[in-house]
Amino acid sequence: RKEVEQDPGPFNVPEGATVAFNCTYSNSASQSFFWYRQDCRKEPKLLMSVYSSGNEDGRFTAQLNRASQYISLLIRDSKLSDSATYLCVAMDSSYKLIFGSGTRLLVRP
Amino acid sequence: EAGVTQFPSHSVIEKGQTVTLRCDPISGHDNLYWYRRVMGKEIKFLLHFVKESKQDESGMPNNRFLAERTGGTYSTLKVQPAELEDSGVYFCASSQEGSYNEQFFGPGTRLTVL
Repeated sequence: RKEVEQDPGPFNVPEGATVAFNCTYSNSASQSFFWYRQDCRKEPKLLMSVYSSGNEDGRFTAQLNRASQYISLLIRDSKLSDSATYLCVAMDSSYKLIFGSGTRLLVRP
Repeated sequence: EAGVTQFPSHSVIEKGQTVTLRCDPISGHDNLYWYRRVMGKEIKFLLHFVKESKQDESGMPNNRFLAERTGGTYSTLKVQPAELEDSGVYFCASSQEGSYNEQFFGPGTRLTVL
């Protein structure tokens, strides 16, 4: 079983749509959680950290549920430029990042 | 401020040859990490340096891989001898001392072993 599991997608949505990605992790000792964005043939870039209280950054909202070991990312009012692969990432107790396989998002005009 | 840089961007070698990848972290970042993504798999951790010391090398696949960070600045990752399954994208990341949260990634080196 993978440590971080994501639906690979692709999610194909029209501009302006709201889309939600989910992720589960298996290691309850994981300390911190993140969503990274990766464009085709580029490096991963941090999109946002994820907190139990939930956090929002513009059109993006992330949520962590430690009890069910579940992480989510909500994107509102999707833009064409949001098309990318979204990586769910956990940081373990030794500070290394554990990546999910990524969820691919395609936003169409 | 310059980001993490990696060299080369691409490398194509034959099985049995040696390749050395280089990573220059963001200036002043004491933490340096190597990760790799092989075809169809998720990005996986290889090792972590704090300055010149190896903090965690639990992800190194075998003894054909050797990472160094002499002087605590840039790092090299040598694969010798390379095997077909070593093909993939090798990413380097760095973060500030005491700030383990945000790791900034370099553009990666795409390694192809024929």
